[in-house]
Amino acid sequence: GESVGLHLPTLSVQEGDNSIINCAYSNSASDYFIWYKQESGKGPQFIIDIRSNMDKRQGQRVTVLLNKTVKHLSLQIAATQPGDSAVYFCAESSFNDYKLSFGAGTTVTVRA
Amino acid sequence: GAGVSQTPSNKVTEKGKYVELRCDPISGHTALYWYRQSLGQGPEFLIYFQGTGAADDSGLPNDRFFAVRPEGSVSTLKIQRTERGDSAVYLCASSPLQGRELFFGEGSRLTVL
Repeated sequence: GESVGLHLPTLSVQEGDNSIINCAYSNSASDYFIWYKQESGKGPQFIIDIRSNMDKRQGQRVTVLLNKTVKHLSLQIAATQPGDSAVYFCAESSFNDYKLSFGAGTTVTVRA
Repeated sequence: GAGVSQTPSNKVTEKGKYVELRCDPISGHTALYWYRQSLGQGPEFLIYFQGTGAADDSGLPNDRFFAVRPEGSVSTLKIQRTERGDSAVYLCASSPLQGRELFFGEGSRLTVL
């Protein structure tokens, strides 16, 4: 699989490989984290979320990892498919401030 | 409808004109958010409604921007004296009471000439 260092704006992945997208956050009070996928011309679409009392959460082909010590979040996509090509955003919020704050986004391109 | 609906999907206007963007949230969702997304950027928070009242409008860039949600459902974002820098995609999202996940609409693309 291919991995991205601490936030790179683009990631090119071979179809069938695993992808890892990284995100750093700065607010130590954040207790909720979420990954969105945004295709061209569309609104952000929910992928998976995780609360701060967890380190890992798995969905269908996706896994989110949370490292609160270094304020780092990652999204792993297994067996990347062409339909996974999109911009991926991480977002965070805190218990007393429900608005989500978004990161800069990573554009994932899947090579056939 | 099943999802968040935003109209118009595209709006082209001239500098100095007034614009209204409409959002129809998911039925039963009490919270409604407006975000603005510039090209190549993540969404930026503008304003958040819980019911009819604006619970947090700290993201509105200046007093040319205003939003209402008079009956706790549909919301309108109003922009006066538009400037070229207002060009962006304006996203609306809603969430249920106690919900943390936001459900986004497709956005309204505003172009100010």
